[in-house]
Amino acid sequence: DGGITQSPKYLFRKEGQNVTLSCEQNLNHDAMYWYRQDPGQGLRLIYYSQIVNDFQKGDIAEGYSVSREKKESFPLTVTSAQKNPTAFYLCASSIAGGPRDTQYFGPGTRLTVL
Amino acid sequence: AQSVTQPDIHITVSEGASLELRCNYSYGATPYLFWYVQSPGQGLQLLLKYFSGDTLVQGIKGFEAEFKRSQSSFNLRKPSVHWSDAAEYFCAVGSETSYDKVIFGPGTSLSVIP
Repeated sequence: DGGITQSPKYLFRKEGQNVTLSCEQNLNHDAMYWYRQDPGQGLRLIYYSQIVNDFQKGDIAEGYSVSREKKESFPLTVTSAQKNPTAFYLCASSIAGGPRDTQYFGPGTRLTVL
Repeated sequence: AQSVTQPDIHITVSEGASLELRCNYSYGATPYLFWYVQSPGQGLQLLLKYFSGDTLVQGIKGFEAEFKRSQSSFNLRKPSVHWSDAAEYFCAVGSETSYDKVIFGPGTSLSVIP
C-alpha cells in the first residue's frame, strides 16, 4: 500500500538532547512537509521540500533542522535550541508542492520532553 | 495578511442531526479551498476541495461544502451525522500568490452524542 510512515509513534526526550523524527513516503511525491500541531493552534509549517537536496523554512523553523537526501525520506531533527518541543508532529507529502495539491499525511509522532 | 478562521472551537451534535462547520478566509487572490479531517491521534485526510466551477462540492463520507465568494466562506455540511464523524476538522486555503504554502485553520473539534 502506498502511503506515509512516521516513526516512532511516541518519543520521549530529555532536555538538552537532539532527537530525529523519521518520515518516509512511497507515493513518488516530489514535495514533503513537516508540521507541528498544538492544541487550538492548528497546523504550523516547520519546513518543506519540493525537490531532493533543497528545502525551505516554514513559519516556525527555529530550533529544527531537516535534510532531503532521498526523494522518499524527509527526517526532522528537533534540536536543543527548540524552547518548547513537546508537541504532535505531522509529516505530509504532495505531488509537486503546488497550492492545489492534496497533502497526504502520516500518522504523526508525539514528542514529549521530560 | 492571508488568514483562515474557524469560528467554532468545539461543536457537539446528536447523532442523526445535521452539521455545519464554518470556515472564513482572507486572501487577495482566488483561493483554493480544502477540508481535512483528523481522527484522534492520527494524521489528516482530505474530505473535499474546491478550485473553481460549481460552488457546491461533494466529498467523501457524505460531506459537502459550499463556496460563497461574497462571504469569503467555505462551510462544511453533512445532513445526518454519524458517531464515527467525531473528529477534528480543518479548513485549509492556498492560492497562486502563496505558491508554496497552504495555510490551515485552527480546527473545529466535533463531538457526537449517541
